[in-house]
Amino acid sequence: EDKVVQSPLSLVVHEGDTVTLNCSYEVTNFRSLLWYKQEKKAPTFLFMLTSSGIEKKSGRLSSILDKKELFSILNITATQTGDSAVYLCADTGANSKLTFGKGITLSVRP
Amino acid sequence: DVKVTQSSRYLVKRTGEKVFLECVQDMDHENMFWYRQDPGLGLRLIYFSYDVKMKEKGDIPEGYSVSREKKERFSLILESASTNQTSMYLCASSLLGGSSPLHFGNGTRLTVT
Repeated sequence: EDKVVQSPLSLVVHEGDTVTLNCSYEVTNFRSLLWYKQEKKAPTFLFMLTSSGIEKKSGRLSSILDKKELFSILNITATQTGDSAVYLCADTGANSKLTFGKGITLSVRP
Repeated sequence: DVKVTQSSRYLVKRTGEKVFLECVQDMDHENMFWYRQDPGLGLRLIYFSYDVKMKEKGDIPEGYSVSREKKERFSLILESASTNQTSMYLCASSLLGGSSPLHFGNGTRLTVT
């Protein structure tokens, strides 16, 4: 059975801090690993990672995948209160099926 | 921009009622999914479909069924709603092949009393 584990489950930081969110996975027929940000409504897509060692970057957010060790990290630098959200990690296996982790609740205090 | 629309934002039903949750996407995506999201449990896959009239069970299909008569529409059916089906239900779609991300609807918060 596919499995995705995220850590920590919750995190409280102050504005300006840098945070690292972790995701480990076990999946048959791995295709990709995805990160989503969820505020009050639907999860919104952040990154899709398919190759090891290649960092993807968008503004203050970046992510990287290690297919040998089966994990990914999401980094957020110079955090802002608008970064407060639940961050979801998911892997894609057979039949395009995504398996999600439980999510990491990030709270950024002013 | 991909749009996934769920017909209801909030829904309150009684135990034993038959409940239909509707989802429509406008980007001609082959794959469609239904998840439920509960505190402490994350998103769990109920059913998915990769073509019209095709359906596959996810991780927690018990108590649910689905219908996909048209490519753009994927319906989740609760044959006889129970209180443990109170949850946030999220529909999503993606292109075939697993090489594109899921696009989610805004969710339906279902309460079964």
